[in-house]
Amino acid sequence: DGGITQSPKYLFRKEGQNVTLSCEQNLNHDAMYWYRQDPGQGLRLIYYSQIVNDFQKGDIAEGYSVSREKKESFPLTVTSAQKNPTAFYLCASSISGGRGGQPQHFGDGTRLSIL
Amino acid sequence: QKEVEQNSGPLSVPEGAIASLNCTYSDRGSQSFFWYRQYSGKSPELIMSIYSNGDKEDGRFTAQLNKASQYVSLLIRDSQPSDSATYLCAVNRQNTGNQFYFGTGTSLTVIP
Repeated sequence: DGGITQSPKYLFRKEGQNVTLSCEQNLNHDAMYWYRQDPGQGLRLIYYSQIVNDFQKGDIAEGYSVSREKKESFPLTVTSAQKNPTAFYLCASSISGGRGGQPQHFGDGTRLSIL
Repeated sequence: QKEVEQNSGPLSVPEGAIASLNCTYSDRGSQSFFWYRQYSGKSPELIMSIYSNGDKEDGRFTAQLNKASQYVSLLIRDSQPSDSATYLCAVNRQNTGNQFYFGTGTSLTVIP
């Protein structure tokens, strides 16, 4: 079955530590996205990538970094510079915009908490 | 002005009634419109896409788009307790690098 796999489901970060959230898709989608969702809040865009080896900052990129070395993979690193990382992190993908605004599909998410 | 605005609710309807969820967007260049359902603690799942003015029906769900008024709505007929969730409206503008803009969601409770 095609889909988006996020791991781990739960993650705990110690003070001063960087942690990496995994996102893999086998939908052959060109575009991938990372969102952060805080309790009772909407989705806020962290980073997005339309093509391999290229990515753009979203609205809240500070304290986060990404890479897009393969079409299938778009890992997100939460660095120690992100002082309030506790949130629900969602990875999404979509067919590229050139094919006419197809919807995003989401992984199951990763819950990150501070120890 | 936010890109996408929704009434956060909560909206409560009795079982079997019609639930009406509304969304407005700010950019006339928006081209594609989506409704997602998000159960508590879960990720959003796509329930409807709409691209042109008018109504689009899928089972108990009807999406309505009015580009002149920059307004999208979702009607849920014969509401069931299992429809209780937060509904997110999303808008896609390809002139911004295929970004998607989400509303903050409307919380719906269907009362048995």
